[in-house]
Amino acid sequence: GQQLNQSPQSMFIQEGEDVSMNCTSSSIFNTWLWYKQEPGEGPVLLIALYKAGELTSNGRLTAQFGITRKDSFLNISASIPSDVGIYFCAGRPSGTGGFKTIFGAGTRLFVKA
Amino acid sequence: NAGVTQTPKFQVLKTGQSMTLQCAQDMNHEYMSWYRQDPGMGLRLIHYSVGAGITDQGEVPNGYNVSRSTTEDFPLRLLSAAPSQTSVYFCASSQQGGGAFFGQGTRLTVV
Repeated sequence: GQQLNQSPQSMFIQEGEDVSMNCTSSSIFNTWLWYKQEPGEGPVLLIALYKAGELTSNGRLTAQFGITRKDSFLNISASIPSDVGIYFCAGRPSGTGGFKTIFGAGTRLFVKA
Repeated sequence: NAGVTQTPKFQVLKTGQSMTLQCAQDMNHEYMSWYRQDPGMGLRLIHYSVGAGITDQGEVPNGYNVSRSTTEDFPLRLLSAAPSQTSVYFCASSQQGGGAFFGQGTRLTVV
């Protein structure tokens, strides 16, 4: 079946540093989504991308829909301790009607104050 | 502002027992889905529904049943619980093309 490869698996950074993570797929996606999950909670949507090449920001977060439609990137600028959590990419494969969503394995972010 | 509500939050089952995980949403979303989350594996799709009366299998459907009699509710049934079904279960809802809203999860342990 379709799979998303998300990297890195984990990151340990200093407060104030910038963070980059990415997600790749072997098939074409119509939609890319980025979520954050904090302990004991469900994932929360951060950014949604709908067009190849689209670049969207949400505060210090910026995500891009890759030109090939097989990848996406999330950047966090000037990290702060509350950025700690698991970041998931998710995508909707082409031809699934805009509903079916599959998730990457997540990137665990640790921020040292 | 309820959003997506899952019950129970925690459950311990003995092997072979059956139970139903409840999920309700009050946003009139067409699409609802169930995921399980296991360490290092992200969220895997169990079953999903694109509207009342319509359900389909996801990546890991074996051992689970679903039904969608109303737009609001999408229960997940474990027919005969097994230790391999120990996991955290998330229900989500969305409109077509939109991002999903998740519940807080049900932490299930099968002993």
